[in-house]
Amino acid sequence: AQTVTQSQPEMSVQEAETVTLSCTYDTSESDYYLFWYKQPPSRQMILVIRQEAYKQQNATENRFSVNFQKAAKSFSLKISDSQLGDAAMYFCAYNRGRYDMRFGAGTRLTVKP
Amino acid sequence: NAGVMQNPRHLVRRRGQEARLRCSPMKGHSHVYWYRQLPEEGLKFMVYLQKENIIDESGMPKERFSAEFPKEGPSILRIQQVVRGDSAAYFCASSPPLPREATGELFFGEGSRLTVL
Repeated sequence: AQTVTQSQPEMSVQEAETVTLSCTYDTSESDYYLFWYKQPPSRQMILVIRQEAYKQQNATENRFSVNFQKAAKSFSLKISDSQLGDAAMYFCAYNRGRYDMRFGAGTRLTVKP
Repeated sequence: NAGVMQNPRHLVRRRGQEARLRCSPMKGHSHVYWYRQLPEEGLKFMVYLQKENIIDESGMPKERFSAEFPKEGPSILRIQQVVRGDSAAYFCASSPPLPREATGELFFGEGSRLTVL
């Protein structure tokens, strides 16, 4: 069974600094997709970044980037120049291209002004 | 282009009552998914539907829970005889038909929070 593990229940970062959120997953598949979703207090699930497993190049979206280590089954999210609006729950998710997207338990990120 | 619409946003029910949660997928999307989120936890898959078909309900509790996605109208998640343990946020997501697999992405609604007294 595929599982997603986020080992950091809470993280905090000073505004304008960089923070890295960790995620590991377990799968026997070779092709799959990995995601980071952000859930602010409004509870809306917002896609932050997506990575296709067959791509070796790490995905980047503005201040957000990932460190995808396929052999280690690791998928960490780096947030650069942190902003107050980045404060939220962050969920790592795995999807093998079908419908049963699997989520980690989440990391609560606090941004200190 | 409206996103996934869920209603109600908040629903309060007493034990034993029925709860109905509605979800309208994004325009052009024919696949609907329901997830449940307990407090301080991630989302757990419940059911996957296409129009008039349940594709996979392996995440649904065996009793009291049902889902449908009729030819016309929104998808409905129905919980009969609610208990306090049903209190949670229920999220609906949608995706387009093929080549959705090219992205793997699901588009989420804002969720419906059910509170059972």
